[in-house]
Amino acid sequence: GAVVSQHPSWVICKSGTSVKIECRSLDFQATTMFWYRQFPKQSLMLMATSNEGSKATYEQGVEKDKFLINHASLTLSTLTVTSAHPEDSSFYICSPYRNEQYFGPGTRLTVT
Amino acid sequence: DAKTTQPPSMDCAEGRAANLPCNHSTISGNEYVYWYRQIHSQGPQYIIHGLKNNETNEMASLIITEDRKSSTLILPHATLRDTAVYYCIVRVGPSNTGKLIFGQGTTLQVKP
Repeated sequence: GAVVSQHPSWVICKSGTSVKIECRSLDFQATTMFWYRQFPKQSLMLMATSNEGSKATYEQGVEKDKFLINHASLTLSTLTVTSAHPEDSSFYICSPYRNEQYFGPGTRLTVT
Repeated sequence: DAKTTQPPSMDCAEGRAANLPCNHSTISGNEYVYWYRQIHSQGPQYIIHGLKNNETNEMASLIITEDRKSSTLILPHATLRDTAVYYCIVRVGPSNTGKLIFGQGTTLQVKP
């Protein structure tokens, strides 16, 4: 059980464009969704926490207008990186919670 | 900031037990110790968690000291596929939706 998918698994985009990453919990309903990012050779950094139907709570230093999180249903959350820049290139991982915290396989974003 | 301290790297011979230590001297009475691992370019994988008592599952054993200031994750018979970064995490906040804050982890290299 506890299958989590992310789409796309990797994406390359040009600077200034926006990218949407989808996270789905395939066999359970997630009451809470966490989004992390991971730069090369570094640990995971929590970006934001969201509950279904509510606005996300962002960690200090994370721009809420740049990283738009939508958690419209208990099985789907999206992270949109707006006006992406090369420094946003990273590995983005969603983590849905239902009685326990699970992790998606991650999305590799490269901004050129 | 993460509330745990782990050695940055460890080696283990294939087939032998891997013992990964973790210090969490400021842990609170209602905080759990969680262990996850991350194989290169994948999302973290849950291993085990515990509060006070030692725990064992099909993947590993978790030994928590009586004062709860440190713990050890034991992989009883390490294989090459166990090569990964292992994260020891103390759950912050309410037990049901507490954030998982990742430290730097221990890179375990299992050698033939």
